[in-house]
Amino acid sequence: EADIYQTPRYLVIGTGKKITLECSQTMGHDKMYWYQQDPGMELHLIHYSYGVNSTEKGDLSSESTVSRIRTEHFPLTLESARPSHTSQYLCASSSLDRAAEAFFGQGTRLTVV
Amino acid sequence: DQQVKQNSPSLSVQEGRISILNCDYTNSMFDYFLWYKKYPAEGPTFLISISSIKDKNEDGRFTVFLNKSAKHLSLHIVPSQPGDSAVYFCAADYGGATNKLIFGTGTLLAVQP
Repeated sequence: EADIYQTPRYLVIGTGKKITLECSQTMGHDKMYWYQQDPGMELHLIHYSYGVNSTEKGDLSSESTVSRIRTEHFPLTLESARPSHTSQYLCASSSLDRAAEAFFGQGTRLTVV
Repeated sequence: DQQVKQNSPSLSVQEGRISILNCDYTNSMFDYFLWYKKYPAEGPTFLISISSIKDKNEDGRFTVFLNKSAKHLSLHIVPSQPGDSAVYFCAADYGGATNKLIFGTGTLLAVQP
């Protein structure tokens, strides 16, 4: 049973606002990821982390930032939201030994108006 | 440039028949391939995987076939059930320390009762 949680599930926010998308996992996984997905498109990796105090940028350039102060927590922040940030954001985690088999949260659907 | 391609955006199959979902990739450095299943408003869930050293992996009703020379993999579901109706994502992994999953755009499978 996967235990990875994202909040909020849905968020509608005005342009220019600062937002933080929360992601927590209780599986003790070292690796965590943020993916961005637009409807009908593939999932794009925007950030990942190997463990505490480790953050790396993914393949898709993103204006968001992440932090990893605790193993279980990997929040994503947008300092100033824009309509172009409207998308679904999916958080995932995996253990180092089975790193490819990632467990995903339910996602946050962000709409910036 | 898309490295993992799922050229069929949708597939409709009768209950009890075989569903075959296809995936092509371009990068010969990929060494691990996965299929994820996604229901609406949920995150993807891991379904089945295959290492590049194998050409077949079976798990119950699900079988994944890998043809390295053709850079092609397929997921077979036999027999198909209405509960299998979902979006199926193919993903590929370089392996090693990075373990960044590259996803296809997904195929929407509809299993008709």
